[in-house]
Parts: sequence; structure tokens; C-alpha cells
Amino acid sequence: DTGVSQNPRHKITKRGQNVTFRCDPISEHNRLYWYRQTLGQGPEFLTYFQNEAQLEKSRLLSDRFSAERPKGSFSTLEIQRTEQGDSAMYLCASSLTKSTDTQYFGPGTRLTVL
Amino acid sequence: GQQVMQIPQYQHVQEGEDFTTYCNSSTTLSNIQWYKQRPGGHPVFLIQLVKSGEVKKQKRLTFQFGEAKKNSSLHITATQTTDVGTYFCAGQAGNTPLVFGKGTRLSVIA
Repeated sequence: DTGVSQNPRHKITKRGQNVTFRCDPISEHNRLYWYRQTLGQGPEFLTYFQNEAQLEKSRLLSDRFSAERPKGSFSTLEIQRTEQGDSAMYLCASSLTKSTDTQYFGPGTRLTVL
Repeated sequence: GQQVMQIPQYQHVQEGEDFTTYCNSSTTLSNIQWYKQRPGGHPVFLIQLVKSGEVKKQKRLTFQFGEAKKNSSLHITATQTTDVGTYFCAGQAGNTPLVFGKGTRLSVIA
């Protein structure tokens, strides 16, 4: 399967713990996005990378969230000191930048903070 | 910042009826994209519209981009149970990241 993959698919953690998620994009795609989705809402943009450079972060993104894409391939999203409000589906998407930006989503990581 | 609004939030139809969802952007868009998310799944790209007034069809689905490039619609003719899911529009202004609407959840009653 050459689609976007994410690990783990599910994560249950206690409040205050740190969690890290991984995303492997489609291999030739140079853009990688992180989104958060809660029930009944559309994907909410968190941040994106072009190759290894993090180009934009949402102003809504707490400083407890950090993302990396060290070699321009896979990416990690870390949430420090998790809170119950962080419970959501975290989606990764990748795209091959041309004149437009069609995104291909991974299956997501569902985070539950107890 | 840029906002994308979708209506209706929910739509329940009998199988065979038509369905339309509407999308409006607060800013002029360079392109608009439509995605479908099945229950328990992730968004899947359906189509992209770039030109003012553009109309594209995929079998029973018809997508339109407004003349002012600020609104769009998705129309499904003769819905089937396989059409169930949430349909999202996502707008891009220039080179900025996509902004997704909240989606329209379609239920089809057999």
C-alpha cells in the first residue's frame, strides 16, 4: 500500500502524559499536513511542512504541540502534558505541490485522554 | 482569517431522492476541493475546481464553482445508500493551506 500511513491508530493516555504520533506520507509528496478532527467538525489545520521546513502553524496551536519532519519524509507530532480537550482524531495528509494542493489523508490516530 | 461555511449540517433523504450541499467562503478562492468521509473513515478527495463558473461531473455527482469563486455546490442525483457519509468542501486562497468547512452529513434511508 503506497498511501499515507499513521501510527498508532489508537492511543489512550492519562492526563499529563506526553504522546507522539507518526505519519508516513506518500513517498514522492513534498507537503505534509497535520489536522485535528473532533466529532461533527471538519478537519482543523494544525501545521504543515514543505519538505523538512515547517511553513505554518495554526495560531490556535498550543505550545504543548510540536511537530517535526527531520528528513523531509516521515513526520512526528508530539503533545506534551496532554489534557482531556486534546482528545480527538489526529489526521495527517500529504500532497505533491503543483499549482494546487490536493491532499491525501491517512487513517488518523484517535487520541483519548482520560 | 479565511472561513468556509457549509449548509446544511445534516440531510436525511430517501434513497432515490436528490441531495445538494452548499459551500461559501469569506474570501475569493484559487481553488475549491470536495472530500467525502465515510463513517469511521478519513476524508477522501473527490474533485477540485479551479475556474470561475466551472462545472464537473462524476457519474451522479455534479460539482459547481461560482462565478465569483467564493461559493460551490455538490449535487447528487438519485442518492444511493453508498452515498452515505460527510461531504466536506475545502477552499484554498493563493498558496495558503486548505480551510475545511464543517461538512454536511448525508443519511440515505433505503
